[in-house]
Amino acid sequence: DIQMTQSPSSLPASLGDRVTITCRASQDIGNYLRWFQQKPGKSPRLMIYGATNLAAGVPSRFSGSRSGSDYSLTISSLESEDMADYYCLQSKESPYTFGAGTKLELK
Amino acid sequence: EVQLVESGGGLVQPGRSLKLSCAASGFTFSNYYMAWVRQAPTKGLEWVASITNSGGSTYYRDSVKGRFTISRDNAKSTLYLQMDSLRSEDTATYYCTRGGMDAWGQGASVTVSS
Repeated sequence: DIQMTQSPSSLPASLGDRVTITCRASQDIGNYLRWFQQKPGKSPRLMIYGATNLAAGVPSRFSGSRSGSDYSLTISSLESEDMADYYCLQSKESPYTFGAGTKLELK
Repeated sequence: EVQLVESGGGLVQPGRSLKLSCAASGFTFSNYYMAWVRQAPTKGLEWVASITNSGGSTYYRDSVKGRFTISRDNAKSTLYLQMDSLRSEDTATYYCTRGGMDAWGQGASVTVSS
């Protein structure tokens, strides 16, 4: 199975900060990488697909990038509504695997 | 508006069965792969199973293979998850999601306990 190693597990940050969350894939997954946001008690929301493409309705302060087997989600200027858990997912092959998640919280 | 509405969750004893349903609307259901994703209490997301748009192919994570069955009725725009031989570790909120995971249901809670 493809392992997705996500870091950090917790990220304290201040409003207006630029923050980055990273996932490293244990095997080649090309651009089959998605990012999800999940707020407490809510269903996940797709933020990024194809490693770099913004999903519909997602603010432009969110972006995705890839460097080799490392995939990153960046928020350019943190807003209060961005406080949530974030997960990466590889959909290159079954079983699809999620990263362990990153809790983004106010410092 | 795309909508996915799960039903069928509840409390069940270990070893028993439960069937989840997901009613889809707002899009052409038969055009999309569909999947189930679960989340145990206070834990992360875990992909469970997927099914192609025709229902001709299905995929499962190892821990549910042979116990869970994903199926669909395109005429009714409904996705199913038949869960047999349930274990305590299957306790989770189960989400129905469209193939690209660009749409999610509200989740159905399944608790496996005696």
